[in-house]
Amino acid sequence: GEDVEQSLFLSVREGDSSVINCTYTDSSSTYLYWYKQEPGAGLQLLTYIFSNMDMKQDQRLTVLLNKKDKHLSLRIADTQTGDSAIYFCAEILNYGGATNKLIFGTGTLLAVQP
Amino acid sequence: DGGITQSPKYLFRKEGQNVTLSCEQNLNHDAMYWYRQDPGQGLRLIYYSQIVNDFQKGDIAEGYSVSREKKESFPLTVTSAQKNPTAFYLCASTEGTLSPLHFGNGTRLTVT
Repeated sequence: GEDVEQSLFLSVREGDSSVINCTYTDSSSTYLYWYKQEPGAGLQLLTYIFSNMDMKQDQRLTVLLNKKDKHLSLRIADTQTGDSAIYFCAEILNYGGATNKLIFGTGTLLAVQP
Repeated sequence: DGGITQSPKYLFRKEGQNVTLSCEQNLNHDAMYWYRQDPGQGLRLIYYSQIVNDFQKGDIAEGYSVSREKKESFPLTVTSAQKNPTAFYLCASTEGTLSPLHFGNGTRLTVT
């Protein structure tokens, strides 16, 4: 299967941590990505993790990967109002050679309350 | 600065007309992609091209056509055969097989 699922909405207060969750179904995925989309704009790559890693930290962002449960999460520490956006997780599946496919989740809208 | 440029940002058309969305990149990327975004449905792949003069259908290619005559350019034509063309269209490119996608800022197409 090639489904990637996310909850649709998350609301947090400024200064709190946000945790956005994602589940995927295809165990052959190699890289998993988090993208951020601000209103009316394209997608901006935030971070990514290779499938043989459990965790990756990049400043306020922490990515956790549980490959056994096919669960990916993005934690944003000290969430700011500028973090309000839609967050997409995506997995890249390689079908051999140059053929690969990027599967996106439906996106989680993060609303940060001042 | 290298990047992907989509134009125009907003596009309005009457039903029954074909319309072409522009996508240009100066990142020297081989692969380019077109996605469609609808509320609550994430991104769906329309067409992609791994190299010049070659392209493949994605998951929702019906009613769309593309060309890849130059490495830098990957225009998308939304034809009158596309039943629900109103959407946000995103172009992306990547430098390698497993590299992340870089996105343009999108074109919002409204067909009435």
